[in-house]
Amino acid sequence: DGGITQSPKYLFRKEGQNVTLSCEQNLNHDAMYWYRQDPGQGLRLIYYSQIVNDFQKGDIAEGYSVSREKKESFPLTVTSAQKNPTAFYLCASRRAMVNEQFFGPGTRLTVL
Amino acid sequence: AQSVAQPEDQVNVAEGNPLTVKCTYSVSGNPYLFWYVQYPNRGLQFLLKYITGDNLVKGSYGFEAEFNKSQTSFHLKKPSALVSDSALYFCAVRDSSGGSARQLTFGSGTQLTVLP
Repeated sequence: DGGITQSPKYLFRKEGQNVTLSCEQNLNHDAMYWYRQDPGQGLRLIYYSQIVNDFQKGDIAEGYSVSREKKESFPLTVTSAQKNPTAFYLCASRRAMVNEQFFGPGTRLTVL
Repeated sequence: AQSVAQPEDQVNVAEGNPLTVKCTYSVSGNPYLFWYVQYPNRGLQFLLKYITGDNLVKGSYGFEAEFNKSQTSFHLKKPSALVSDSALYFCAVRDSSGGSARQLTFGSGTQLTVLP
């Protein structure tokens, strides 16, 4: 997990509220990714960003939003439009011209 | 389109015995293949990758994986399992022609339990 931090570790939200998950990296990586993990389903890509001020939707972007104002930071907002937001959220980053991604420790979001 | 299958949800092995975690893939071009491990409530840790070259790839913690193009497989192996190897293992793939975003597709994971 070194070099990539996610906060908070656990997050509780009431239905109808937006919530923002933090992801910060000090690895000077260019690309950053957000995944959602549900039991038995592996990881699914929500959004990714290859450079500052640019990002693209992944496979399950509906109900989520992101920003990339700084190279080090890629926050994810889970909006009230996301129908089933309870999950484990993982942030990853990758250095340019390298294939493997490196992951943060994750944030577990529970909607009450 | 690219996809990964991990046919076993659960693998149990006795400590000291060899272990194998299976992975098969589908890509339109040449595959880049990866194995990651996840401990409870933690992020994924990179174990090893196959990009090109020798079909037997060695990685962290004594793990290795064998790329078999004819069987489209990339099984993870370790000669002698440790109780501390118990974790969730993910195989991932991307097509070498998949563009600069280098998006990975992950399998559903295999829970490995090493029994003392």
